[in-house]
Amino acid sequence: GAVVSQHPSWVICKSGTSVKIECRSLDFQATTMFWYRQFPKQSLMLMATSNEGSKATYEQGVEKDKFLINHASLTLSTLTVTSAHPEDSSFYICSASGGTGGTDTQYFGPGTRLTVL
Amino acid sequence: GDSVTQMEGPVTLSEEAFLTINCTYTATGYPSLFWYVQYPGEGLQLLLKATKADDKGSNKGFEATYRKETTSFHLEKGSVQVSDSAVYFCALSDPSYGGSQGNLIFGKGTKLSVKP
Repeated sequence: GAVVSQHPSWVICKSGTSVKIECRSLDFQATTMFWYRQFPKQSLMLMATSNEGSKATYEQGVEKDKFLINHASLTLSTLTVTSAHPEDSSFYICSASGGTGGTDTQYFGPGTRLTVL
Repeated sequence: GDSVTQMEGPVTLSEEAFLTINCTYTATGYPSLFWYVQYPGEGLQLLLKATKADDKGSNKGFEATYRKETTSFHLEKGSVQVSDSAVYFCALSDPSYGGSQGNLIFGKGTKLSVKP
């Protein structure tokens, strides 16, 4: 149980285009979903937290107009990187809480590697 | 603010060796503590957790004890296997921290390589 999927697993796009990444909780209803960014050989940095039906809460320094988050249902959240640039290339990971582990346990997706040319 | 510090890697061990990965934390409240593991090419998986002082989390032969007096949550395994090769992240969730509710604060990760 507590499986989280992400799609796509990797994407390459041209500078200036937008990319959408989906995060789904497959076997539980996620009250909260989180989006992280992981740079090579570094830890995960929280970008934003989203609750179903509410606006996302962004961490300091994260541009909300650039990283659009939509949490349309209890099983789906999307991250759209708008007008992507090479510096946005990174590994984006989502997680979800609300399964049997309770609200303080997050279950992570496999991540999406974004490369912006 | 809250933070997690874990030993820097990489750590290279022979199969069946004893493993310790140190993790210490600072927190304003009473956090829950976690160890996550990231196998090559995969996402993070919850390995174990402890929610209060003196709790011991255990899974797959790994264990860690929540030590409030030393603000530590060291990960141990008595006999590692090649399949344990991965990056291990220590993390905390502090409900009294001024960040988003339930958000995790991660250490930088420790890469473990186990040789046959």
